[in-house]
Amino acid sequence: EVQLVQSGAEVKKPGESLKISCMGAGYTFASNWIGWVRQMPGKGLEWMGIIFPFDSDVRYSPPFQGQVTISADYSMSTVYLQWSSLKASDSAMYYCVFPSGSPSWGQGTLVTV
Amino acid sequence: QSALTQPASVSGSPGQSITISCTGASSDVGSYNLVSWYQQHPGKAPKLMIYDVSERPSGVSNRFSGSKSGKTASLTISGLQAEDEADYYCCSYTGRDWVFGGGTELTVL
Repeated sequence: EVQLVQSGAEVKKPGESLKISCMGAGYTFASNWIGWVRQMPGKGLEWMGIIFPFDSDVRYSPPFQGQVTISADYSMSTVYLQWSSLKASDSAMYYCVFPSGSPSWGQGTLVTV
Repeated sequence: QSALTQPASVSGSPGQSITISCTGASSDVGSYNLVSWYQQHPGKAPKLMIYDVSERPSGVSNRFSGSKSGKTASLTISGLQAEDEADYYCCSYTGRDWVFGGGTELTVL
């Protein structure tokens, strides 16, 4: 069974940097795409991008290109979502998602800026 | 890529059936049988209801079914119950990554 465990809620100030994480278990982490989804308060779900941990091939959705960095450490079975300078508009719930087969989601990380 | 198109809202009475449509393009919904549907209650995480167009995860009621024709996927809920009132999102593979629909608010009258 695929399990995704995300890091805890964060409260940051505008301009600060942030890196949240998602650890995968129960499948071959390195050879499966995994992605990040944003949900702003009261809004819908948005795919931010996906990464193939083995070679760190990253595909960003156009609105998020240049706004965030997605990375992975397959030795730690962990993917990351990073901001270099947070804005108030980055306040949202962020989910990591294993999209293949029967998709699995992490529990979500609430980011408040 | 553009978001998939869903109706903003649908409604039905208990016991009735409703269908939520999800229209994409020939490059996403029209090309891949990789459409999933999620149910989200207020303040909760999305719950997978259907994947690969019509497959139901273990534990999901058989009142929920999915189908696809051309560039449009559909989620049908039969025997509507009060607990079905929620937001529903479709999601499709695009050949490069994934894209969601804008979401549909289901009201059980």
